[in-house]
Amino acid sequence: DAGITQSPRHKVTETGTPVTLRCHQTENHRYMYWYRQDPGHGLRLIHYSYGVKDTDKGEVSDGYSVSRSKTEDFLLTLESATSSQTSVYFCAISEYVGLGGELFFGEGSRLTVL
Amino acid sequence: GENVEQHPSTLSVQEGDSAVIKCTYSDSASNYFPWYKQELGKGPQLIIDIRSNVGEKKDQRIAVTLNKTAKHFSLHITETQPEDSAVYFCAAKPENSNSGYALNFGKGTSLLVTP
Repeated sequence: DAGITQSPRHKVTETGTPVTLRCHQTENHRYMYWYRQDPGHGLRLIHYSYGVKDTDKGEVSDGYSVSRSKTEDFLLTLESATSSQTSVYFCAISEYVGLGGELFFGEGSRLTVL
Repeated sequence: GENVEQHPSTLSVQEGDSAVIKCTYSDSASNYFPWYKQELGKGPQLIIDIRSNVGEKKDQRIAVTLNKTAKHFSLHITETQPEDSAVYFCAAKPENSNSGYALNFGKGTSLLVTP
């Protein structure tokens, strides 16, 4: 299994509070991603990183920010959580190989916003 | 952007039967098509992938076919076993994506294999 650790694995919070999810990798892969998974929507890309301090938006980035100060850590922040951000969040990593590199996923972080 | 449609959303088969999941994509420049399996409470895991210069690929009981003209690709699982029960996602990587090497996923198929 790829060395990816997400924390926390479960969190319940209230609307309007800030939340930070952490993804830590031990593979030294260049690319890191945050996806959210919701019933009926599959996996949707929130933000991704292509190097230290290099990040960009995915298709559902509103309400989220990210930071990557070290190769191994990618943080996802919800500045003011809303109920629509209740979801399971997955971190993924990859190393580009040829036409496409395999994504390795973490175990997920389940966030409930009340 | 790339849009990946996946069907069916749920599939129930008896042990030993075959299962087929189909996906279509919109971006004709997409060139990489992986399939991921997600077991309950876990993250998705790659089970097989196919690149645009290949029409079919097999790995034991699973196979993937790609029809670039029709822009669709399919996952075939033969001799299904209860441990094949999971959610399966297809995905596509656009050629000119502005999202790095991120993948666009279908909405998933929940496969149940009954003994």
